[in-house]
Amino acid sequence: DSGVTQTPKHLITATGQRVTLRCSPRSGDLSVYWYQQSLDQGLQFLIQYYNGEERAKGNILERFSAQQFPDLHSELNLSSLELGDSALYFCASSPREPNTEAFFGQGTRLTVV
Amino acid sequence: QKEVEQDPGPLSVPEGAIVSLNCTYSNSAFQYFMWYRQYSRKGPELLMYTYSSGNKEDGRFTAQVDKSSKYISLFIRDSQPSDSATYLCAMKLQGGSEKLVFGKGTKLTVNP
Repeated sequence: DSGVTQTPKHLITATGQRVTLRCSPRSGDLSVYWYQQSLDQGLQFLIQYYNGEERAKGNILERFSAQQFPDLHSELNLSSLELGDSALYFCASSPREPNTEAFFGQGTRLTVV
Repeated sequence: QKEVEQDPGPLSVPEGAIVSLNCTYSNSAFQYFMWYRQYSRKGPELLMYTYSSGNKEDGRFTAQVDKSSKYISLFIRDSQPSDSATYLCAMKLQGGSEKLVFGKGTKLTVNP
């Protein structure tokens, strides 16, 4: 167990809908990262927050947004969902920068039908 | 050209074999190199990281980085069925963005 908790584990929703994925980082970790994993693209970095502030952005679609709250948990919001958004979404946290020890959660499997 | 290339396999070996997993990369600015292991339906788990060039050993695992060739390797000695998983290499710049750039992973099966 990495100490990173993601909910829900599975999510099935229809195209056009909006969902929220939640992540609780390891106790004391200030950095939270979101990654998308699909069969054809592999693990792709979406966004990083550090102590509540957006730190880095990757290939995150405009339909996607994230935030980190004062208690350090993070949420990833996905809207106007398309079939191609079906993937595993992972949250990771790390205690420090440089990020050489990222601890990943179990992921949320999103299926858009 | 993708930033990080990794042969997806699958790779199947008998128990006790030495396994060699590799990645190549194109960005010479990468300074941190990691190997993650991902079991089916689980999140990636960090195995080892190396800063810049050189070797690092941890039990049955050895990581090597050859920056001149832009090539990294993970060796697993005395492989066990419990090593069956997908192995992902990841890299990061020094300074700047904290994002990890991953290879697509190599699926390894160790047969008893």
